This record gives sequence, C-alpha cells and structure tokens, in this order.
Amino acid sequence: DIQLTQSPSSLSASVGDRVTITCRASQIISNYLNWYQQKPGKAPELLICAASSLQSGVPSRFSGSGSGTDFTLTISSLQPEDFATYYCQQAYNFPPTPPTFGQGTRLQI
Amino acid sequence: QVHLVQSGGGVVQPGRSLTLSCAASGFIFSNHAIYWVRQAPGKGLGWVAAIWPDGNNKYYADSVKGRFTISRDNSKNMVYLQVSNLRAEDTAVYYCARSTGNNPNYFDYWGQGTLVTVSS
Repeated sequence: DIQLTQSPSSLSASVGDRVTITCRASQIISNYLNWYQQKPGKAPELLICAASSLQSGVPSRFSGSGSGTDFTLTISSLQPEDFATYYCQQAYNFPPTPPTFGQGTRLQI
Repeated sequence: QVHLVQSGGGVVQPGRSLTLSCAASGFIFSNHAIYWVRQAPGKGLGWVAAIWPDGNNKYYADSVKGRFTISRDNSKNMVYLQVSNLRAEDTAVYYCARSTGNNPNYFDYWGQGTLVTVSS
C-alpha cells in the first residue's frame, strides 16, 4: 500500500497566519492527491482534488500544490473556521492499489 | 442538493453482524461509485470498501475482506455495508462517500456517519 506521511501532526497558529501542511507519499502518485478538512463530530469535506484543483465553494485562501511524492496544502490567511484537522488522500491506481489517507494534521489556535 | 443519509449502526457483540445503509438523493446515483470509510475513536480515516456504479465490481480493504459485504440497489438509490464477524477493532464511525472524477477520483459528498461499537 502507498503510505502518506503528513507533517506536522499538529500545529498551533493564529488568525491571519499563513500555514502550510505537507504530505509525502511513499511512491510516485502523479497528482492523484486530494485534501479534506474535518471538524469535530462532522464528516470530512473535500477541499482540493488532483493536488491543486479547488473544490467549488471552497474559499480561495486554500491552495494545493505538488506532484510525484511531495504535496502541500496552504492556507494563506487563517480564519477562525479553519481550525480543524486536515487529511491528504491518495487515489493512485485503484484498483488494485487501495486508497489511503495521511494520519491527519490538527490545526489549533 | 446531493445528500447521503446513513442509518444502522449501534452496539453489537463481538462476532455478531450488522447492516449499515446509505440513502442517496439529488444526483444520478447509478453514475457514481460509492465508498465506505471508517474512523476509529480519536483516530484517522481508513478506506473500507468500494462499489462501482453498476454494482458489478466491489473492493475491500484487507482488514475486512471476507467479513464485510458492500452492495447497492440502484432502483432505490441505496448502498449497504453488511459487517459480519465483528471485532473490537471494527469499532468506528462509518461514512459512506460519493466518488466523483477520474484520475484521480475524489470523495465530494459524505454521509453524516454512523457509529458502530463492538463490545460485549
């Protein structure tokens, strides 16, 4: 299986900060990488697909980049509603390679 | 609007079975694969199973293969996950999610989640 390693695992920041979360894949996955946001007690929500395509309705302060094995999610100016846990997910060559998620990055005030 | 509404779940003894349901609305159901993803308490997300739009192709995580069965009824816009021979480590919130796109696909809508607790 393809392993995804996110860093950092947790992050403290303030409103207005610029934040970057990284996701590294254990093998080349082209741009087959998606990002989700999850708030406590809620289902995940899609932010970015195919490494850099912003989902409709997602604020433009979110952006994604990367290809191959290294990817980043950037929030340009943190808003109070952005404090949540973020997950990357790879969708490379399924089947047979199963989809996997990173371990998550908890973004705290 | 797209909605995925889940039902089922609850507390079940080890070794027993349960069926989770996911009712879809607001889109052409038979055009989309549906996935199940689970999240153990305080842990991250993990893929469980997937079913292709026509229901003929089904895939499972190794950890549930042979114990879980995914199915769908396109006439009712329903997806099911039968979970059998349950173990303590199957305790989790289970989400159904709609798959969209190709190369890569992604999960653009999710159900609200349903908690399965395996305990004697």
